[in-house]
Amino acid sequence: DAKTTQPPSMDCAEGRAANLPCNHSTISGNEYVYWYRQIHSQGPQYIIHGLKNNETNEMASLIITEDRKSSTLILPHATLRDTAVYYCIVRVPLTNDYKLSFGAGTTVTVRA
Amino acid sequence: DTGVSQNPRHKITKRGQNVTFRCDPISEHNRLYWYRQTLGQGPEFLTYFQNEAQLEKSRLLSDRFSAERPKGSFSTLEIQRTEQGDSAMYLCASSGRLAGKNEQFFGPGTRLTVL
Repeated sequence: DAKTTQPPSMDCAEGRAANLPCNHSTISGNEYVYWYRQIHSQGPQYIIHGLKNNETNEMASLIITEDRKSSTLILPHATLRDTAVYYCIVRVPLTNDYKLSFGAGTTVTVRA
Repeated sequence: DTGVSQNPRHKITKRGQNVTFRCDPISEHNRLYWYRQTLGQGPEFLTYFQNEAQLEKSRLLSDRFSAERPKGSFSTLEIQRTEQGDSAMYLCASSGRLAGKNEQFFGPGTRLTVL
């Protein structure tokens, strides 16, 4: 399974952009990068995913380097409700589907 | 609410007892997954169903664990002869019919404490 490396924690000021880095240097050409977050005592929540191109949705933007060895999740205007553990995940193939291979994630604390 | 639901939300049991958890996926989703999460770690994959067929099982799923999805709708996860090491959050997720094309939606989890 491809592994991801994230900083264990980071702080962010409310209203500012939060840039969450992730290294996935062993990722193979057809493996997607997914981002989920988990707010305390809840199940993980899907944020965004990508393969090669940068992606944007209503929650965040995903910037993937050209060599695909790293990516950055950008929360454009962090709010207190964005405080959570953020997981950078490489999708691993299963029979006719895939599983999510979670690491330990980055604990993001948004401060007022 | 039309999301993934799990019951019970919390379960406390004594070592050696059997426990069963239930997961109700999003109604149109034919794929269902079980994950386990211990304190301070990310979730780990346990098993996966496509409709009623169990297509993949992790090595983490010992002989004491069994999962079913009898009619391709809800699923149950049973742990027999529980051990203290089984204490964890058990998460269920579901996804839609297009293989590999849809994100997995997670339920709130069942937190198991084995005394």
